[in-house]
Amino acid sequence: EIVMTQSPATLSVSPGERATFSCRASQTVSSNLAWYQQKPGQAPRLLIYDASTRATGIPARFSGSGSGTEFTLTISSLQSEDFAVYSCQQYNNWPRTFGQGTKLEIK
Amino acid sequence: QVQLQESGPGLVKPSQTLSLTCTVSGGSVNSDNVYWTWIRQTPGKGLEWIGYIYYTGSTYYNPSLKSRLSMSIDTSKNQFSLKVSSVIAADTAVYYCASELRGPSYYPMDVWGQGTTVTVSS
Repeated sequence: EIVMTQSPATLSVSPGERATFSCRASQTVSSNLAWYQQKPGQAPRLLIYDASTRATGIPARFSGSGSGTEFTLTISSLQSEDFAVYSCQQYNNWPRTFGQGTKLEIK
Repeated sequence: QVQLQESGPGLVKPSQTLSLTCTVSGGSVNSDNVYWTWIRQTPGKGLEWIGYIYYTGSTYYNPSLKSRLSMSIDTSKNQFSLKVSSVIAADTAVYYCASELRGPSYYPMDVWGQGTTVTVSS
């Protein structure tokens, strides 16, 4: 199976600043990469798919990039509601696999 | 807009079988373009993809769990189900159902249920 590795495990950023998350795949997943946001007690919410396409209703401050094995999620100017856990997931191969998540906390 | 809702016992004894159901509203489990999927989340391992069932009844299970899994689909109730046999404490998790489009391209899981917590304990 494809192993997804996210870094860092925790990211401390101040509101209004930029946050950057990394995700690496153990083998190529082409652009079949999604990013999810998850808040406590809630299900994951799809933010980005096809590595760089925002899902319906997702604000423009969220952007994704990358292809192959290296991917990045960027939040350009953090809002209070953005502090959550962010996970990447590949849907190029079976079984689908997730990264272990990056917790975005308020600095 | 498709909505999903998990249901089932919150407590299961070790060695018994965990059974969960996902009810689909706003759509049909008979769709030929959807993989009906189960995912679980534990504090230690994060999100783990369990497997999917297609409307024909065909399945794909995560190899790490395959020997203990069974999925089924009930078109009369518009539901799909998951069974995990011989459960152990490590099966304690929040279980989610989700949908992934099937087609000529690749698609993410875009609709998720709210999740249901299952604890394995005597």
